[in-house]
Parts: sequence; structure tokens; C-alpha cells
Amino acid sequence: DADVTQTPRNRITKTGKRIMLECSQTKGHDRMYWYRQDPGLGLRLIYYSFDVKDINKGEISDGYSVSRQAQAKFSLSLESAIPNQTALYFCATSDPDRGKDNEQFFGPGTRLTVL
Amino acid sequence: RKEVEQDPGPFNVPEGATVAFNCTYSNSASQSFFWYRQDCRKEPKLLMSVYSSGNEDGRFTAQLNRASQYISLLIRDSKLSDSATYLCVSGTASKLTFGTGTRLQVTL
Repeated sequence: DADVTQTPRNRITKTGKRIMLECSQTKGHDRMYWYRQDPGLGLRLIYYSFDVKDINKGEISDGYSVSRQAQAKFSLSLESAIPNQTALYFCATSDPDRGKDNEQFFGPGTRLTVL
Repeated sequence: RKEVEQDPGPFNVPEGATVAFNCTYSNSASQSFFWYRQDCRKEPKLLMSVYSSGNEDGRFTAQLNRASQYISLLIRDSKLSDSATYLCVSGTASKLTFGTGTRLQVTL
């Protein structure tokens, strides 16, 4: 079984629609992250959370919101999707207290297309 | 200037070759360093951590030079299965910064 899962895996939606991407983990990690990946731009951090109810903006948080209601779940919302939010979205987890280093473990990704 | 810079490649090498990737990072407060591997349309996966003393894992050797803020990855005896994009990563206690990746294609 995968340690970090994301749903949906693929989604096509229209401009203006509200979209929620879900991330769940069974690793017991406290820290969770949302990234987007675009060709030529690499992975960019959207939001991160170090504990339940803890929310921090990353480098590209505009147009996105997140919710961390439980240790195992971190959801990403696009309140009103626009075409330039078309990207591959990854959730990741880490727990520096457990791991040897501050490495992050990624989910399989969600491919989002906004028409 | 990007916080982590890598040559995007692609590096096209024959099977059995030795190939080296380099990257530089700009945040002198970085404390953690990694190489991740990413296959097409898949998630990044940790390849290895990088330490100042250098570390080796089978055919892979990683090196960190803190004074020059430079990280390297050496792959010996390349296999077809090594074909992927390799992401250089530096980080602080709170977050990691990923390079855009170097693409490797190993051919027969």
C-alpha cells in the first residue's frame, strides 16, 4: 500500500470551478506539503503544514487555500480555477524527528487541467 | 537567480558510461542536501542524501562542497534503467528547494 496517496489522480475542469485535491498519509508524519510542477519551472511550494491547524504559505500561494484538519490529511483547494493553474500537483510529507535527514516523501501526483 | 541551479541537459550517454551532474545552491543557511530521481510523469523519489564527507551508494556517489555551495552526483556504469530526471535539492529545517532537474538518457 502507498504511504502517501492523492485523489483524484487526474482531473479536467473548467475556468471558475472550485476544485479540491486530497492528500492522505499513513506514515505518521507531522509535516505535509503541497507543490506544483510545471515544465521548466520545477517543483514550487504552494503551502505547508507542520501540525494540525498549522498553515504556512509557500512561494506561490495566491489562488490556493489548504486545510489540515487531521495529522493524516492535507487538502488543497482552488477556489476559482484558472487555466494557468494547469499543472502536476504533488503532496509530500516529512518528519525530521524520525528521519535521519529532512527528506520528503511524495504522493503519486494529481494531473489537473483547467480549460 | 534561482536558489538551486542545475544544467537541464539532456545528457545522452551509452550504457556503461560514467556521468556527472552538478548543481549550485545560493542559500548559505541550507543544512540538508539531497538528490531525487523523477521518472516521466511520476513522483520524485529520494535517491540519496548528500554530506560534506561525501557518500556512496552502489554506483552512485554524491559530494557536497559547502564553501563553493556546490553539489555533485556521479553515476558509474550507467544502466538503461538510470534514464530519468535527477533533481538537486537543498533545504533548511523548514523547507526544501528543488532544482529544475537534469535529464539523463542512457542508450544501448
